[in-house]
Amino acid sequence: AQSVTQLGSHVSVSEGALVLLRCNYSSSVPPYLFWYVQYPNQGLQLLLKYTTGATLVKGINGFEAEFKKSETSFHLTKPSAHMSDAAEYFCAVSHTGGFKTIFGAGTRLFVKA
Amino acid sequence: NAGVMQNPRHLVRRRGQEARLRCSPMKGHSHVYWYRQLPEEGLKFMVYLQKENIIDESGMPKERFSAEFPKEGPSILRIQQVVRGDSAAYFCASSPDYGSGELFFGEGSRLTVL
Repeated sequence: AQSVTQLGSHVSVSEGALVLLRCNYSSSVPPYLFWYVQYPNQGLQLLLKYTTGATLVKGINGFEAEFKKSETSFHLTKPSAHMSDAAEYFCAVSHTGGFKTIFGAGTRLFVKA
Repeated sequence: NAGVMQNPRHLVRRRGQEARLRCSPMKGHSHVYWYRQLPEEGLKFMVYLQKENIIDESGMPKERFSAEFPKEGPSILRIQQVVRGDSAAYFCASSPDYGSGELFFGEGSRLTVL
């Protein structure tokens, strides 16, 4: 069975500071890993994904994430937060050839001016 | 708009009524997924469908909930005899093929049960 744990339901950073959102997963088979962002009253948008290959994945809006198999982690980072980054972020896992994506509980990011 | 289309965006029902939520996947996508989002919770998988087939409904409540994806027309999530606990945002997503895992989401249907 697969699962996703996002550490911290709320994260607050100052504008220009580093953003770090944590995600750990469990999977009995090689995982596909995703980060999605949700703005208020909207659906989820894909930020980035890892399937195979390079473990450092770059996404939209300056975000990136690194797949660390030994730590079963897929943390999301951005060097410098912008006010427009305030949103809810979801880490998700599916498995190779699978079809059911499992989402974490989400982390709400607040950006202070 | 070539994205995933959901309607209605907002739906209010009284206890005991029926709710029907519709989802048209992106053009060329034949895989549809329904998720439910409760306040302060993540998205919970409900059901995965392909045209005319339910592939996985392990997340669907055993009673009152049903889903279909007919050969023609949108996918429909149907909730009979709604209760207050059904109040939530229901999201539909689609994908172009089996196994990629990447989902394209609609903007959701927000059900309020009075």
